[in-house]
Amino acid sequence: SQELEQSPQSLIVQEGKNLTINCTSSKTLYGLYWYKQKYGEGLIFLMMLQKGGEEKSHEKITAKLDEKKQQSSLHITASQPSHAGIYLCGADPSGGGADGLTFGKGTHLIIQP
Amino acid sequence: GAVVSQHPSRVICKSGTSVKIECRSLDFQATTMFWYRQFPKKSLMLMATSNEGSKATYEQGVEKDKFLINHASLTLSTLTVTSAHPEDSSFYICSARDSGLPNYNEQFFGPGTRLTVL
Repeated sequence: SQELEQSPQSLIVQEGKNLTINCTSSKTLYGLYWYKQKYGEGLIFLMMLQKGGEEKSHEKITAKLDEKKQQSSLHITASQPSHAGIYLCGADPSGGGADGLTFGKGTHLIIQP
Repeated sequence: GAVVSQHPSRVICKSGTSVKIECRSLDFQATTMFWYRQFPKKSLMLMATSNEGSKATYEQGVEKDKFLINHASLTLSTLTVTSAHPEDSSFYICSARDSGLPNYNEQFFGPGTRLTVL
């Protein structure tokens, strides 16, 4: 089965600073998703990556999938309090969307004013 | 965008009772829905895949007689936790794929249901 390891587990960043969260897979990533979650709430979709070397950006968040499709990174530029939360990477085992996702354990992001 | 709702958002029940959780796709049809469970400060674990008109597929270690899944329509899947016990207390989240977009693989997640069994 596929396993996702996220690092760091938790991160405290001063407001305005940049940060990066990593997600490493034990197997090839055919579909990699990034979500944000406030504790005890549902998931907010951020981005989906499928192709090796792919990079997507939305506002101040950029996600990349490496060429070998085994690692993804999420980069936040000029962090804001609204970025605080738990970031989860999820993998689609087959890439076809027919299967449930396997998630990493999450990265808890705290933004200090 | 696509919206998935869950009901109830919170439920507290006594040990031994059964609880039904609904997952609805509000503006799209979903032949496939997924049920996840999340324990405090842990990640989401896939429990089962709910297929409209057929039996659900359960992940290893998930008791199908304990967690009954019914996907009777293209917009509704239900998860019933039977004879609930305190160890079943958890956050249950569903997701759905838009079956009208076969080439688009995003899963839309519901807001979750927090179950507390006393």
